[in-house]
Amino acid sequence: QKEVEQNSGPLSVPEGAIASLNCTYSDRGSQSFFWYRQYSGKSPELIMSIYSNGDKEDGRFTAQLNKASQYVSLLIRDSQPSDSATYLCAVSGGGADGLTFGKGTHLIIQP
Amino acid sequence: ETGVTQSPTHLIKTRGQQVTLRCSSQSGHNTVSWYQQALGQGPQFIFQYYREEENGRGNFPPRFSGLQFPNYSSELNVNALELDDSALYLCASSGWGGSYGYTFGSGTRLTVV
Repeated sequence: QKEVEQNSGPLSVPEGAIASLNCTYSDRGSQSFFWYRQYSGKSPELIMSIYSNGDKEDGRFTAQLNKASQYVSLLIRDSQPSDSATYLCAVSGGGADGLTFGKGTHLIIQP
Repeated sequence: ETGVTQSPTHLIKTRGQQVTLRCSSQSGHNTVSWYQQALGQGPQFIFQYYREEENGRGNFPPRFSGLQFPNYSSELNVNALELDDSALYLCASSGWGGSYGYTFGSGTRLTVV
């Protein structure tokens, strides 16, 4: 049974600070890693994808992957109230695997 | 470039009935996967279609079935609806193996009463 674990939160961060979201996964064969943002009542929106160990930066977002520790993280710099949402970590082994999601972390940015 | 569209947006069905949900894939994507998201949970993988065949399935019973058409659009069919089937149903299109990432549609909210 493939599992993805996230702290459900809520995680409360002051506006302008760095928000740090973490995720662990059970399947060592996982090849693709994604962070999605989901606003209440809406569908998931892709924020970052990462496929190899290390850091990947895109604007205010940085994804970090450590396959040896089976750990993925997302950093959000200069957090804005509009970043308040549930952040879903998802992994895939590729091929016909589809995505395995965590339950999501509810992030609240306090103005 | 068109995104992923799903229909209908909302649906109310009675227990025991059957339902069909529809999804069109994003231009350039040839794979469609379906997910069920219960309230407060992450999406759960139902199955995936590639070249009009189901080639991956999560832990869902056979009353969940689907189709993919030559234009890569897809249907999800659920027979003998149960109250626990009430959820947001999401489809995602991608290239094979998740290439180009997974792009989600806006979802169909199914309520079974």
